[in-house]
Amino acid sequence: DADVTQTPRNRITKTGKRIMLECSQTKGHDRMYWYRQDPGLGLRLIYYSFDVKDINKGEISDGYSVSRQAQAKFSLSLESAIPNQTALYFCATSDFRNIQYFGAGTRLSVL
Amino acid sequence: QKEVEQDPGPLSVPEGAIVSLNCTYSNSAFQYFMWYRQYSRKGPELLMYTYSSGNKEDGRFTAQVDKSSKYISLFIRDSQPSDSATYLCAMSKNGGATNKLIFGTGTLLAVQP
Repeated sequence: DADVTQTPRNRITKTGKRIMLECSQTKGHDRMYWYRQDPGLGLRLIYYSFDVKDINKGEISDGYSVSRQAQAKFSLSLESAIPNQTALYFCATSDFRNIQYFGAGTRLSVL
Repeated sequence: QKEVEQDPGPLSVPEGAIVSLNCTYSNSAFQYFMWYRQYSRKGPELLMYTYSSGNKEDGRFTAQVDKSSKYISLFIRDSQPSDSATYLCAMSKNGGATNKLIFGTGTLLAVQP
């Protein structure tokens, strides 16, 4: 089984819908991250969490929210999806050295 | 200016060639340097990491860090078609509450059989 599991792997939704992307990990790391990846822009950090009680905005948090339900679970929500949120989304975990391990990604299309 | 610069490629080489992938950076506080490989429609996979300056070798892969020039490299010897992927460099300062990983935009490598 993968150390970092993301669900769903693919999602198509309509503008204005609320959706949630989920991430769980078995690496025992305290730190978890959500990124989006767009062609030519690379990986951009949306939110990160260093423990269950710690949530921080990344560089592109507008339009997104997160919930850290447990050490192993970190979910990303789009409250009202818009087409420019169409992207590949990755969850990652890390230890104190900031070496990050990624999930397989969720391909999201907002129509 | 971006903190980390990486040529997007694409870079096309014949099988068996030595490949050199590079990144430059502007922040002298970076201490941890990483290379990730990302196949199409997959998540980035950690290949190599180096702390501070120097070289690190793992099989056909060698990572080099030159902090004086703010330049890091990944060399792939005897390249194989299975090495065809996007390679991302990444770096951070010491681990801590405020230190995030900064990624390059990736170099697309194609190894032709």
